[in-house]
Amino acid sequence: AQSVTQPDIHITVSEGASLELRCNYSYGATPYLFWYVQSPGQGLQLLLKYFSGDTLVQGIKGFEAEFKRSQSSFNLRKPSVHWSDAAEYFCAVAKGNAGNMLTFGGGTRLMVKP
Amino acid sequence: EPEVTQTPSHQVTQMGQEVILRCVPISNHLYFYWYRQILGQKVEFLVSFYNNEISEKSEIFDDQFSVERPDGSNFTLKIRSTKLEDSAMYFCASTGLAGTADTQYFGPGTRLTVL
Repeated sequence: AQSVTQPDIHITVSEGASLELRCNYSYGATPYLFWYVQSPGQGLQLLLKYFSGDTLVQGIKGFEAEFKRSQSSFNLRKPSVHWSDAAEYFCAVAKGNAGNMLTFGGGTRLMVKP
Repeated sequence: EPEVTQTPSHQVTQMGQEVILRCVPISNHLYFYWYRQILGQKVEFLVSFYNNEISEKSEIFDDQFSVERPDGSNFTLKIRSTKLEDSAMYFCASTGLAGTADTQYFGPGTRLTVL
């Protein structure tokens, strides 16, 4: 069965600083990987996804993520964080077959200092 | 932009009561899902639904749970006899393609509180 680990429960960065959120997955076949963001009281919004091809994927709001098969990682990055990026971030993996259930990591809560 | 909608946003119920959570997926989507998130925990898959039947379900989705697509637009999750531990945020999601990984679009959630 697939699993996702997000080692950092909380991260605090200063506005304007760079950000990297870690995600490690366990899955026996080619993973389909996603990053979602959840603002307080809101649903889950897709930031970006990786299915195949270029291992560096660009998403919305200036986010990018890099798939590294050798490290089983799909870390999320942003060069300069804005106060509005404060939210909870979830990494998820899908099996890619019919049904396509998502398995989520535990989430990383990002706080942004002014 | 099309979006998934859910009603109600917050439901409070007494233990043992039945609740129905409602979702309107994006109109041309084919796969529908329910997930839940207990406060402070990760988002967990409950069930996926395609072509008017369950295609996959988790261990959480026991006989107390059922799903239905009663008409062409709504997708519902019923909990027959709620327990305290059913208190959670319930998310509906939908996706457009069948048979492959595709982006799931999530609704804003229904917060269920069981007293």
